[in-house]
Amino acid sequence: DSGVTQTPKHLITATGQRVTLRCSPRSGDLSVYWYQQSLDQGLQFLIQYYNGEERAKGNILERFSAQQFPDLHSELNLSSLELGDSALYFCASSAGQRSSPLHFGNGTRLTVT
Amino acid sequence: GESVGLHLPTLSVQEGDNSIINCAYSNSASDYFIWYKQESGKGPQFIIDIRSNMDKRQGQRVTVLLNKTVKHLSLQIAATQPGDSAVYFCAEIPRSNDYKLSFGAGTTVTVRA
Repeated sequence: DSGVTQTPKHLITATGQRVTLRCSPRSGDLSVYWYQQSLDQGLQFLIQYYNGEERAKGNILERFSAQQFPDLHSELNLSSLELGDSALYFCASSAGQRSSPLHFGNGTRLTVT
Repeated sequence: GESVGLHLPTLSVQEGDNSIINCAYSNSASDYFIWYKQESGKGPQFIIDIRSNMDKRQGQRVTVLLNKTVKHLSLQIAATQPGDSAVYFCAEIPRSNDYKLSFGAGTTVTVRA
């Protein structure tokens, strides 16, 4: 068990809808990362937060947004969903130092129909 | 930009044999490398890391080798066990980008009994 909790585990929704994925980091970790994993793209970095502030941004679509709250949990919001957004979304946390290992949750599987 | 690639997408290994998983990277500015293991239905799990000032690092049954001359990284698993069946990812952090961990496409290791 990595200590990172993601909810929900599965999500099925229709195109055009909006969903929110939630992540609770490991106790003591200040940094939260979001990754998207699809069969043809592998693990793609989306965004990172450190202690409530955005620290790094990857290939995150404008339809997607995230935030980290004062209690350090994070939410990833996906809107105007398209079929191609179907994927596994992983949250990871770390102490926030450059070489701190990332600890991943077990992901949320999003299916857009 | 940086890219991380693995030599083989799949590897079949006899139980008890040693496994070698290879990874090539293109960004010579990367100075930190990590190997992750992802079992079915779970998030990636940290295995071992290595900094660019090292050539070799050993963990429990695993060894990571770094050849900066040819930009090659490998993970050796000793006495492979059924529980080692998983997808293995190498990842790098370039000096120029402190926090965007870039993952390779992954090698699926299957252990034969």
